[in-house]
Amino acid sequence: GAGVSQTPSNKVTEKGKYVELRCDPISGHTALYWYRQSLGQGPEFLIYFQGTGAADDSGLPNDRFFAVRPEGSVSTLKIQRTERGDSAMYLCASSRDSNTEAFFGQGTRLTVV
Amino acid sequence: DQQVKQNSPSLSVQEGRISILNCDYTNSMFDYFLWYKKYPAEGPTFLISISSIKDKNEDGRFTVFLNKSAKHLSLHIVPSQPGDSAVYFCAASLHNFNKFYFGSGTKLNVKP
Repeated sequence: GAGVSQTPSNKVTEKGKYVELRCDPISGHTALYWYRQSLGQGPEFLIYFQGTGAADDSGLPNDRFFAVRPEGSVSTLKIQRTERGDSAMYLCASSRDSNTEAFFGQGTRLTVV
Repeated sequence: DQQVKQNSPSLSVQEGRISILNCDYTNSMFDYFLWYKKYPAEGPTFLISISSIKDKNEDGRFTVFLNKSAKHLSLHIVPSQPGDSAVYFCAASLHNFNKFYFGSGTKLNVKP
């Protein structure tokens, strides 16, 4: 596709459940980012991948959050034992390399009930 | 503690006039700044950027000004158009593009 694609667009889950959020970056982009945006706030950095490796995961809030990018393209953000406070818009972005601006997907809105 | 702040949650401007969106930051080590625009149900879209070695960058109707001593940047849109109505986020990074700190956004409404 032409842009960053995130699936699903909406996800409702029960407290305590496990969820996976998927990001398909723009083809050929080596850098991939995950951000989280709560209502009324700006995006908050979670993790950055350069290729297959997580170059900076300092934004992951706790060990319930984990992200992978096994082949250097698609990435999955995994959240275990979800809590109501995890409810937010999860944004993925990609860039051609680590020195160019990032293009964002439309996000996945996660609601934990 | 928020390192990038946008103190105006909303701004309303008449079509054809200038829109000025403001952003303040606390970390003097930030060296790259961007503005993103976001429409409802879409992800943020890159608009314009500026490096800390400059104090102004212009791209068509959009100009970003950086005042390092005041730790302040602003986005000027001239002339404003109804299609500019969106939420505008400023963002800052330390030494690279890899991790950005975003402000909370300013919702711009350009009235026809």
